[in-house]
Amino acid sequence: KQEVTQIPAALSVPEGENLVLNCSFTDSAIYNLQWFRQDPGKGLTSLLLIQSSQREQTSGRLNASLDKSSGRSTLYIAASQPGDSATYLCAVWGAGSYQLTFGKGTKLSVIP
Amino acid sequence: GAGVSQTPSNKVTEKGKYVELRCDPISGHTALYWYRQSLGQGPEFLIYFQGTGAADDSGLPNDRFFAVRPEGSVSTLKIQRTERGDSAVYLCASSSTGANTGELFFGEGSRLTVL
Repeated sequence: KQEVTQIPAALSVPEGENLVLNCSFTDSAIYNLQWFRQDPGKGLTSLLLIQSSQREQTSGRLNASLDKSSGRSTLYIAASQPGDSATYLCAVWGAGSYQLTFGKGTKLSVIP
Repeated sequence: GAGVSQTPSNKVTEKGKYVELRCDPISGHTALYWYRQSLGQGPEFLIYFQGTGAADDSGLPNDRFFAVRPEGSVSTLKIQRTERGDSAVYLCASSSTGANTGELFFGEGSRLTVL
């Protein structure tokens, strides 16, 4: 059974700092990996989708990398802003599965 | 519509009652998913529809839970004889492609509280 772990569970940084969120998964047989953002009491907003054949994806200040063989992904946020404060969730599509498996998320607080 | 729409946004009910939660996916999206999220946890898969049929319902916790999508668009999640443990946020998502290939777009969820 696929398991997804996100470290750290919570992170607090001063505004302007660059930061890295980590995601690991136990079964490397995946189709893709997706990073989401969730604001309190809200649904999930898709940030980046990395196909299994790709190494990274970039969108603005966000960069996500994927190392499928080692079961790891990182989300890099450059020049963090208070508006980046949210919970960030990593999720993987397992090969042969119809399900996205999610981690528990990393709660990010960016202090002005 | 512009995004995935879920109603109601909040539902409070008493133990033993019947509940229906509705999801209106992005227009044209053939794939629809239901997930459940408990406090402090990531979403957990419940069921996946491709068109009108449930292609994978392995995440439904028991036979009190049922979902339909009769015309391949709007879906309804139905919970019978609700229990306090059913309290959670129920999230719906849709995708323009089949499972495990495309980007998922989520609604804002229906928060269910069973007293």
